[in-house]
Amino acid sequence: AQSVTQLDSQVPVFEEAPVELRCNYSSSVSVYLFWYVQYPNQGLQLLLKYLSGSTLVKGINGFEAEFNKSQTSFHLRKPSVHISDTAEYFCAVSVDRSNYKLTFGKGTLLTVNP
Amino acid sequence: DAGVIQSPRHEVTEMGQEVTLRCKPISGHNSLFWYRQTMMRGLELLIYFNNNVPIDDSGMPEDRFSAKMPNASFSTLKIQPSEPRDSAVYFCASNTPGEDTQYFGPGTRLTVL
Repeated sequence: AQSVTQLDSQVPVFEEAPVELRCNYSSSVSVYLFWYVQYPNQGLQLLLKYLSGSTLVKGINGFEAEFNKSQTSFHLRKPSVHISDTAEYFCAVSVDRSNYKLTFGKGTLLTVNP
Repeated sequence: DAGVIQSPRHEVTEMGQEVTLRCKPISGHNSLFWYRQTMMRGLELLIYFNNNVPIDDSGMPEDRFSAKMPNASFSTLKIQPSEPRDSAVYFCASNTPGEDTQYFGPGTRLTVL
């Protein structure tokens, strides 16, 4: 079975600083990787995804992530964060292309301070 | 499209009562997922349906939980009897079979006293 580890439960940063949210996965088969974002009192929405091809993927709101197969990682980065980026971020993995059933990490709460 | 609709948004009930959570997927989406989110366990997949048929219910915690999808536009998650440890946010998500992105509803926050 696959699993996801998000190494930081909380990441506080100042506005306009860069940020990296770490995600490692475990799987014996090929994976598809996702980052979802949850704003306060809302459902999750897709930020970006890696299915195949280029290992550097770009998503909405200036976020990007890099798939590293040798390190089994899919870290999320943004060069300069805004107050509005304050949210919880979830890394997820799927191994089933027929339905992309997701296994989520426990989430990282990103708090951007002025 | 209105997106995935869940009701109620908040539910407070007493231990032992029956609770029914409802979900309307996005029109045209034939796959539906129910998730539970708690501080301790994070987001867990409870069950998913494909074309109204339950495909995998291995995440359903116990017999007190049941889910149905009587038609393509409606699903329910029922807890009977409810217990305080069922307190959580329950999300419904939908997509079309083979689509990589899931679309989440706003969730139902359940509190069992």
